[in-house]
Amino acid sequence: NAGVTQTPKFQVLKTGQSMTLQCAQDMNHNSMYWYRQDPGMGLRLIYYSASEGTTDKGEVPNGYNVSRLNKREFSLRLESAAPSQTSVYFCASSEGSFHNEKLFFGSGTQLSVL
Amino acid sequence: RKEVEQDPGPFNVPEGATVAFNCTYSNSASQSFFWYRQDCRKEPKLLMSVYSSGNEDGRFTAQLNRASQYISLLIRDSKLSDSATYLCVVNPRNNDMRFGAGTRLTVKP
Repeated sequence: NAGVTQTPKFQVLKTGQSMTLQCAQDMNHNSMYWYRQDPGMGLRLIYYSASEGTTDKGEVPNGYNVSRLNKREFSLRLESAAPSQTSVYFCASSEGSFHNEKLFFGSGTQLSVL
Repeated sequence: RKEVEQDPGPFNVPEGATVAFNCTYSNSASQSFFWYRQDCRKEPKLLMSVYSSGNEDGRFTAQLNRASQYISLLIRDSKLSDSATYLCVVNPRNNDMRFGAGTRLTVKP
């Protein structure tokens, strides 16, 4: 019953440091997503992957890179963290290849960039 | 104008009350609509999809008004466990979903 698992749960970085957020799903879903959630704003899509081997930019991709390592795993990398990237990050997956269906979310990563 | 707008609340209601939230969207071509529930410091979870004809799931009723471009969520007989933030989600185009910032509901004893 793992669903979508993302690590770490909490992270504090200094400006300029890099890190990778990991995400894995065990539901054999085709699509995976990375969102960020900021106070007073809805979740915003950073990147998504409609299938293994493909990735596409979402609404707020600047400052991030992603890798769809295989069908299960989708990682998000911050190459040079900035305070504006302080946020809660959620990974999600969905069964099909279209971003218009039920999303299953991981438990989130609280990231602070000082 | 935001693509999806919700009243942030908070809505504070007593147990047993009926409460309704609206959510407006700007893209008239939007095709899919959803309500998600998010508990404090937790991930969002799908509450229900919203169909053109309206749909009901127990104490929850969702409606779509395409002419006025809004969706609504009605909760009857509120329970303490209904306390959460309710996120409106709209699919304005293929391969895109837009989330509202959420409406916070607190149900009090």
